[in-house]
Amino acid sequence: NAGVTQTPKFQVLKTGQSMTLQCAQDMNHNSMYWYRQDPGMGLRLIYYSASEGTTDKGEVPNGYNVSRLNKREFSLRLESAAPSQTSVYFCASTLGGSNQPQHFGDGTRLSIL
Amino acid sequence: TQLLEQSPQFLSIQEGENLTVYCNSSSVFSSLQWYRQEPGEGPVLLVTVVTGGEVKKLKRLTFQFGDARKDSSLHITAAQPGDTGLYLCAGKASGGSNYKLTFGKGTLLTVNP
Repeated sequence: NAGVTQTPKFQVLKTGQSMTLQCAQDMNHNSMYWYRQDPGMGLRLIYYSASEGTTDKGEVPNGYNVSRLNKREFSLRLESAAPSQTSVYFCASTLGGSNQPQHFGDGTRLSIL
Repeated sequence: TQLLEQSPQFLSIQEGENLTVYCNSSSVFSSLQWYRQEPGEGPVLLVTVVTGGEVKKLKRLTFQFGDARKDSSLHITAAQPGDTGLYLCAGKASGGSNYKLTFGKGTLLTVNP
């Protein structure tokens, strides 16, 4: 029972490099989310996808793009990584609606030098 | 932006002690969720409260949603080392998106044996 799977688990980039963080869920959930977690800042929403085919900006979208590839997969892309994007990134999914529990992956730890 | 303020930010106690952590806002929330996050993992939902004045119990954990739905508390009785973790509250603001949660910054609890 995998739940939400994030890849990679760890990544080190140089400033200016690009990369895509992958997320897949096997719970047939409709909504998916990308958060970043920084010390003392809690979880901040980057982008979300309420349903397949839709994406919307969250609280901190600058410097990121997303793709809802299909119902299962929601990827996050950094086009030109900056040191300020060093963080732990979490993907989450939910059946739909904010009263439903969000199921999180174990995170991607990203360092940008 | 609807903010959720959590207090205290850090709490270190001995096994067997009781504790309460708080989640407060100036805004009304239609529902609040509590999550626990352990090191290296994503948050896991503990409970959702939706009705003002609601009290829910989960073994030694008691959750309360304020009558005005602006605040919530988590009380742990006879804390155990296994309760160690980051406790996050998250809420859907009244009138806000049905798909977005606002997270507090968390309370980092350490229970010493």
